[in-house]
Amino acid sequence: DTAVSQTPKYLVTQMGNDKSIKCEQNLGHDTMYWYKQDSKKFLKIMFSYNNKELIINETVPNRFSPKSPDKAHLNLHINSLELGDSAVYFCASISTGTGGQEQYFGPGTRLTVT
Amino acid sequence: GDSVTQMEGPVTLSEEAFLTINCTYTATGYPSLFWYVQYPGEGLQLLLKATKADDKGSNKGFEATYRKETTSFHLEKGSVQVSDSAVYFCALNTGYSSASKIIFGSGTRLSIRP
Repeated sequence: DTAVSQTPKYLVTQMGNDKSIKCEQNLGHDTMYWYKQDSKKFLKIMFSYNNKELIINETVPNRFSPKSPDKAHLNLHINSLELGDSAVYFCASISTGTGGQEQYFGPGTRLTVT
Repeated sequence: GDSVTQMEGPVTLSEEAFLTINCTYTATGYPSLFWYVQYPGEGLQLLLKATKADDKGSNKGFEATYRKETTSFHLEKGSVQVSDSAVYFCALNTGYSSASKIIFGSGTRLSIRP
């Protein structure tokens, strides 16, 4: 069973388009995250949701809009895509309140904007 | 603010060599510490963790000891294999609430020569 899944795995699109990436976790976790990983492998947190509520919103252009229909799903919609949005986007989840717990990561979505 | 600093790569070793990847942290609380590994084309996986001072995390021949006095969590392996080639991330989690986030180091790429 896949714990954290993302779709699609690869996404190639042109500048100016709008696209969405979906994430689902079946671990029963209450908090989910989106990270962006650049070409140098640096991981930057973008957002986190806890039980459908936005908790962390780092400095991210407002072209990026997360949506959490329920605590098992966290989607990322990107408007007016730019070349600099090309990266690998990772979803992750964690069960908070227990301390010392690690995040579980999805396999990533490689976004290429041409 | 909280931060993680790990040695820059890339690190290239011959098979069966001894590996050390240094990691130091800055945190105001009592963080849990993690090492994640990212194999090519995949998401991050937890390699090992330690939740309090003097704890030793271990997995797949890798070890790291939580040293509060030196604020370090260095990763070691006695004899590396080609299959260990990956990017390694040191990370910390200071929180127990839904607002907590895991802070990652910049990653160290490890390449093992046969």
